[in-house]
Amino acid sequence: QKEVEQDPGPLSVPEGAIVSLNCTYSNSAFQYFMWYRQYSRKGPELLMYTYSSGNKEDGRFTAQVDKSSKYISLFIRDSQPSDSATYLCAMSGKAGANSKLTFGKGITLSVRP
Amino acid sequence: GAVVSQHPSWVICKSGTSVKIECRSLDFQATTMFWYRQFPKQSLMLMATSNEGSKATYEQGVEKDKFLINHASLTLSTLTVTSAHPEDSSFYICSAAVASSYNSPLHFGNGTRLTVT
Repeated sequence: QKEVEQDPGPLSVPEGAIVSLNCTYSNSAFQYFMWYRQYSRKGPELLMYTYSSGNKEDGRFTAQVDKSSKYISLFIRDSQPSDSATYLCAMSGKAGANSKLTFGKGITLSVRP
Repeated sequence: GAVVSQHPSWVICKSGTSVKIECRSLDFQATTMFWYRQFPKQSLMLMATSNEGSKATYEQGVEKDKFLINHASLTLSTLTVTSAHPEDSSFYICSAAVASSYNSPLHFGNGTRLTVT
């Protein structure tokens, strides 16, 4: 079993839809959870950064972490064509300079106008 | 926000030559930088951890003599792909965390696309 599993996609939704992206993991040592957005031929851009379990909201984005189930989610409300990108979940047991991120495989999202 | 700059953004080289990729933290100091590799439609795979003033730590399966890492200052790390071969063609991405913040997330550069002919 891989340490981090992410739905492979791709995912296509109409503009305005609510998007739900998910990852599961097996390593109970993971404490820090991130979602990155990556446009084609660009580096990953940090979207959400959470510590331990709980919810975090930033504009149209909401990140949820359920450590008991080893499950994290990213919700995108009122999706826009500009949200079309690859979304990567990432996690680590430590933060900052000590972090070694383990990434999911990424899911490509397409938002249709 | 923290900005990480990578240069060049793309490079084409001939088989057998060496290529150097630079990673700079523009507005913060980074004692640690990370180098990743990404193949098409694949996730990021950590290659090595670059530590300022000391030797890099390589992940299992990554040849340290082929992928030379130098982290000479708190704002610059370089990755040199030596004697490049076509199978080294990939997207190389660096990341860094703010040294003064123990729980800051990693910020990534925009990557370098290497094509070896």
